[in-house]
Amino acid sequence: DVKVTQSSRYLVKRTGEKVFLECVQDMDHENMFWYRQDPGLGLRLIYFSYDVKMKEKGDIPEGYSVSREKKERFSLILESASTNQTSMYLCASSLGGGGRGETQYFGPGTRLLVL
Amino acid sequence: SQQGEEDPQALSIQEGENATMNCSYKTSINNLQWYRQNSGRGLVHLILIRSNEREKHSGRLRVTLDTSKKSSSLLITASRAADTASYFCATVNTGTASKLTFGTGTRLQVTL
Repeated sequence: DVKVTQSSRYLVKRTGEKVFLECVQDMDHENMFWYRQDPGLGLRLIYFSYDVKMKEKGDIPEGYSVSREKKERFSLILESASTNQTSMYLCASSLGGGGRGETQYFGPGTRLLVL
Repeated sequence: SQQGEEDPQALSIQEGENATMNCSYKTSINNLQWYRQNSGRGLVHLILIRSNEREKHSGRLRVTLDTSKKSSSLLITASRAADTASYFCATVNTGTASKLTFGTGTRLQVTL
């Protein structure tokens, strides 16, 4: 079974802090994704990566950056946390290559509260 | 950007009944997927249907796809209390390999 783990289930930070959210997958997947989920808005893609050291902006990248130094690890960074970044953050990975390779496997999520 | 729109937003049924959720999307797709999310947890993949398929089954799940109407439906037969969750459709749009665009979800409540 594919396992995607996220470093924290709950996180409380103060406005202006730099925040790191870590995601690790154990199935040698090519693709990794970061989403945020807010009530009534569904999941929105922040950033994704097709390969090591490669990143692409999603639909809402402002205020975020990412790092993928190793294939299994994809980090989301909030450079200076703000209250409007309070949300549930979900990491996912997929094998790639089309077809069933586009099925995404999700971590349990990190609920971030910025005070 | 949100592509899929699920209908209804919320659905409450009794155990044993069937639940039908609908999804509409706007652009050409490679495939459409359905995911389930239990409260406060990550999403779990349920089923994938390709753009050249019209119907697919998996256990108590039946998915249909009508590309001419840009719509899909998810039917859960003989529902159980454990099916209580939010259900999301997501599309892989043509030309955007591997990237999913999610709808806003249907919240299903199954009561005993």
